[in-house]
Amino acid sequence: RKEVEQDPGPFNVPEGATVAFNCTYSNSASQSFFWYRQDCRKEPKLLMSVYSSGNEDGRFTAQLNRASQYISLLIRDSKLSDSATYLCVVKTGGFKTIFGAGTRLFVKA
Amino acid sequence: DAEITQSPRHKITETGRQVTLACHQTWNHNNMFWYRQDLGHGLRLIHYSYGVQDTNKGEVSDGYSVSRSNTEDLPLTLESAASSQTSVYFCASSEADAGDTGELFFGEGSRLTVL
Repeated sequence: RKEVEQDPGPFNVPEGATVAFNCTYSNSASQSFFWYRQDCRKEPKLLMSVYSSGNEDGRFTAQLNRASQYISLLIRDSKLSDSATYLCVVKTGGFKTIFGAGTRLFVKA
Repeated sequence: DAEITQSPRHKITETGRQVTLACHQTWNHNNMFWYRQDLGHGLRLIHYSYGVQDTNKGEVSDGYSVSRSNTEDLPLTLESAASSQTSVYFCASSEADAGDTGELFFGEGSRLTVL
């Protein structure tokens, strides 16, 4: 079983739609959680950290459920520019950082 | 602006040849990392360094080596390239003691093909 698992998608949604991605992690000792965004053939970039109380950044909302060991990312009012791969990232002590394989999102006009 | 650059961006080589991928950052970060990215696997850690003269093996370190002689550079060497090392390689850096932020800053990647 992979330490961090994501639905690879792709998710195909129309502009303006709301879409949600989930990610599960296996190590209950995991400490920090993030979502990164990666455009096609580009480097990953931090989208947002994920906090226990949940956090929002504009149209993006991240949630953490430690009991069930999953994190989620909700995108509201999807834009064409949101088309990318979204990587779930989990840090487990020190600098051990585990990346999920990513969920691909296509937003169409 | 501070940045992290990789070279070459694309390379084709033959099995058995030695290959070095360069990584240079001007963030003045102590922590530097090398990842490879393959379909279905996400990014996997090859080697990492917490500072000058410090290097550590990641989860897929076999066949790779790194050296850290200064803060800015962490070159990745494939001693004898194999077809299984065909991949996209990303270098990244982060601040020491970044705590929860832990943001990794990535280079643009180096696409390596081993024939």
